[in-house]
Amino acid sequence: AQSVTQLGSHVSVSEGALVLLRCNYSSSVPPYLFWYVQYPNQGLQLLLKYTSAATLVKGINGFEAEFKKSETSFHLTKPSAHMSDAAEYFCAVRPDGNKLVFGAGTILRVKS
Amino acid sequence: DGGITQSPKYLFRKEGQNVTLSCEQNLNHDAMYWYRQDPGQGLRLIYYSQIVNDFQKGDIAEGYSVSREKKESFPLTVTSAQKNPTAFYLCASSIDGTSGSYEQYFGPGTRLTVT
Repeated sequence: AQSVTQLGSHVSVSEGALVLLRCNYSSSVPPYLFWYVQYPNQGLQLLLKYTSAATLVKGINGFEAEFKKSETSFHLTKPSAHMSDAAEYFCAVRPDGNKLVFGAGTILRVKS
Repeated sequence: DGGITQSPKYLFRKEGQNVTLSCEQNLNHDAMYWYRQDPGQGLRLIYYSQIVNDFQKGDIAEGYSVSREKKESFPLTVTSAQKNPTAFYLCASSIDGTSGSYEQYFGPGTRLTVT
C-alpha cells in the first residue's frame, strides 16, 4: 500500500528563516506528488505538484519542492518564512488512478 | 467564478439523525470526492465518483452514502450508523478521475458536530 510520512507534526521557524517541511513516500511505481496548504477552517489549496517533468518543482507563494527518487522524498522549502505562511501543510501521493493518499500534516508556526 | 461550494459551513445534529452535506462544482470536472478530516490524521477518503451515476467506496465508507445524479453535484449523507460523525468534511473534484497527474480542487469544507 502506498503511504506518506510527514516528519514533524509541528514545525516552528522565525520570520525570515528557511522553511523545510519533510515528506517521504512509499510507492512501488513512480508517483505523482502534491503539496497542499490549509488555513484554519478552510479547504486545501494546491501549492505545487510533481508529475515527472522536472525534479525541482516551483509552486505558489515562493515554495518549491525537490523530488528525490533515491531517498523517496519530496521535501517542501521556502527560503524566507513570512507570517502569512503559518498554516497546516499536507503532502500527498497519487501512485495511479483516482486515490490521493495524504500524510498526517505538519503545522507550521512562524514566530515574529 | 469557477469553484466548489459546500453548504452549510457549520452543521449541528442530534445523535441518531441522518444529515446530508451538499457539494456543488461548476468546473465541469468529471471526478468528485469526499474526505473526512480529523486532527492529526490527515484526510481520509470516504467515497469518490469518476462519472455521473457511478461511485466507489473509499477507505472509510461505513456509515456514509452518496449519490451522483448530476455531474456538478455529489451530496454526502452521514447516517446514524456512523459511530463517530463529528468531523470536518471536505469535498473535492478533478478534471479526470483516471489520470493521476491531475490535481484535486477542494471546497471550503463543512464542520459537522453531532451531540
